[in-house]
Amino acid sequence: GQSLEQPSEVTAVEGAIVQINCTYQTSGFYGLSWYQQHDGGAPTFLSYNALDGLEETGRFSSFLSRSDSYGYLLLQELQMKDSASYFCAVRGPSGNTPLVFGKGTRLSVIA
Amino acid sequence: DADVTQTPRNRITKTGKRIMLECSQTKGHDRMYWYRQDPGLGLRLIYYSFDVKDINKGEISDGYSVSRQAQAKFSLSLESAIPNQTALYFCAARTGQGTEAFFGQGTRLTVV
Repeated sequence: GQSLEQPSEVTAVEGAIVQINCTYQTSGFYGLSWYQQHDGGAPTFLSYNALDGLEETGRFSSFLSRSDSYGYLLLQELQMKDSASYFCAVRGPSGNTPLVFGKGTRLSVIA
Repeated sequence: DADVTQTPRNRITKTGKRIMLECSQTKGHDRMYWYRQDPGLGLRLIYYSFDVKDINKGEISDGYSVSRQAQAKFSLSLESAIPNQTALYFCAARTGQGTEAFFGQGTRLTVV
């Protein structure tokens, strides 16, 4: 099976940079995804890493190290609207396996 | 136009009642999923389906059943609801080659 660990809460200042880490254990690995969920809303896709390295999408970047079973989501130039829960998710061992989510990290952005 | 639509959005039901949550999607995704969300526990997989003839149990399938009536429709049933099934339920859909899962807006179910 798969299991993921991420911090439960993170607080950061508006305009700053914050990194949310995710470590995973899986019998196979097909990719690491990140989703954002605002209170009362649905999870929405942010990024996907299948290979080692950094993927950048605007203010958000995601990193993966397959050898370390580790990834992170980096949020730059934090805005108040970034306050939300962030979930890492893995698929493994093939594309035919479903997404398994971590328990989520609650990010609070303060002024 | 929402990719994935769930009905109802909110439901209160009594213990022992049968209830069905419905999910439909408009973009032809072949894979559909039901997740349950509880505070502090993240999203836990209940059932998933890769096509109309394919149904698979997830991490927490006990007490639930599903039906994939068509590629676009995937319903979740609670045969005899119990209070600890009170939760937020999400349906999601994805295309096999795609990396992004699209979620419905959720159904908040309360069992009293």
